[in-house]
Amino acid sequence: SQKIEQNSEALNIQEGKTATLTCNYTNYSPAYLQWYRQDPGRGPVFLLLIRENEKEKRKERLKVTFDTTLKQSLFHITASQPADSATYLCALMNTGNQFYFGTGTSLTVIP
Amino acid sequence: GAVVSQHPSRVICKSGTSVKIECRSLDFQATTMFWYRQFPKQSLMLMATSNEGSKATYEQGVEKDKFLINHASLTLSTLTVTSAHPEDSSFYICSAFGRGNEKLFFGSGTQLSVL
Repeated sequence: SQKIEQNSEALNIQEGKTATLTCNYTNYSPAYLQWYRQDPGRGPVFLLLIRENEKEKRKERLKVTFDTTLKQSLFHITASQPADSATYLCALMNTGNQFYFGTGTSLTVIP
Repeated sequence: GAVVSQHPSRVICKSGTSVKIECRSLDFQATTMFWYRQFPKQSLMLMATSNEGSKATYEQGVEKDKFLINHASLTLSTLTVTSAHPEDSSFYICSAFGRGNEKLFFGSGTQLSVL
């Protein structure tokens, strides 16, 4: 069966440290892997996209890696801030423009 | 960036009534719109995919006669929850996808409470 799993439901880290979130998938062949941020009571907001032929993507304090052999993506937030506290969702997009979301990881950055 | 507007943001209704939720793409043509349902502290559950001008494709377990989806134009999709019951209470979110885009733009969500 198809699954998208994110490492843990909740992750607490100290301000200034690097947060690392994991997304593992089985039985998908995504064309793209994307990361979204969702705040309580709001719709998700797009953060980063990485294509199947890319290994790493960066945007400011964010970094995403994509290993299609391991079927895994890592999402890093460096120099984390309390404002980074939110739920982070990974999503797979296939060539048919269908999107499938992971279970989400709730990140809390402690001042 | 692209904007997707979703209304209403919150609705409370009596059991047995129908509720319509609108999702509009304000500055791009949404060839595909998705409707999701989300329970507290859970991820997004895809309910259906709608392409402009054609019938929606529903995910397994989602009743198409209960959740009516209309995507009549490239900028508007509606979800109607018919004969709503308390178990339909949830957070409903739409998202839109346009030609040449590789990412989804989400509405702000609708919190439905059925009494």
